[in-house]
Amino acid sequence: SQTIHQWPATLVQPVGSPLSLECTVEGTSNPNLYWYRQAAGRGLQLLFYSVGIGQISSEVPQNLSASRPQDRQFILSSKKLLLSDSGFYLCAWNPRANTEAFFGQGTRLTVV
Amino acid sequence: AQSVSQHNHHVILSEAASLELGCNYSYGGTVNLFWYVQYPGQHLQLLLKYFSGDPLVKGIKGFEAEFIKSKFSFNLRKPSVQWSDTAEYFCAVIPDSSYKLIFGSGTRLLVRP
Repeated sequence: SQTIHQWPATLVQPVGSPLSLECTVEGTSNPNLYWYRQAAGRGLQLLFYSVGIGQISSEVPQNLSASRPQDRQFILSSKKLLLSDSGFYLCAWNPRANTEAFFGQGTRLTVV
Repeated sequence: AQSVSQHNHHVILSEAASLELGCNYSYGGTVNLFWYVQYPGQHLQLLLKYFSGDPLVKGIKGFEAEFIKSKFSFNLRKPSVQWSDTAEYFCAVIPDSSYKLIFGSGTRLLVRP
């Protein structure tokens, strides 16, 4: 069966520091991968998605970037964190277009 | 751009009351529709989905949703809620042939015992 791993679960980082959140999927090949940010009262905001290695689509211009160095690995990064980057970040995958997505446990990021 | 609206941000019900959560989307073409649930401290889980066919779909735990194409709506219902239904509920849409799964802002449901 397929599983999705996302780490770390919580992270506290100072303003101006770099960020790297990692997500991996097991048990499938060539998944579509997603990064969302969940904010209270605002639902899940789609940040990036990827349909293949090296293919990244950005939905919201911001201080973050994403990379997909391997088929089942999706990384969310920042060179310099801002206070406004605090939030709950979720990784998700689906096997093809149109289908439901399966979510990881999320990372609670607090920028101080 | 496609968007999803959930008009009820907070809902408080007593056990055994009926539930209906509204969801409207803005997209003129064919869409696939989903309801996700997030129980306290847990990850997002799929509650039910609509791809095609019968517009009344049944999901887990007694939930159902009705797709009304003319109203661009996909409302979630449950005849009798339980305390364990306390959670946040998200409606989501993915246009046909798209990779972009778009979520609504969510509805926090509190069921009082």
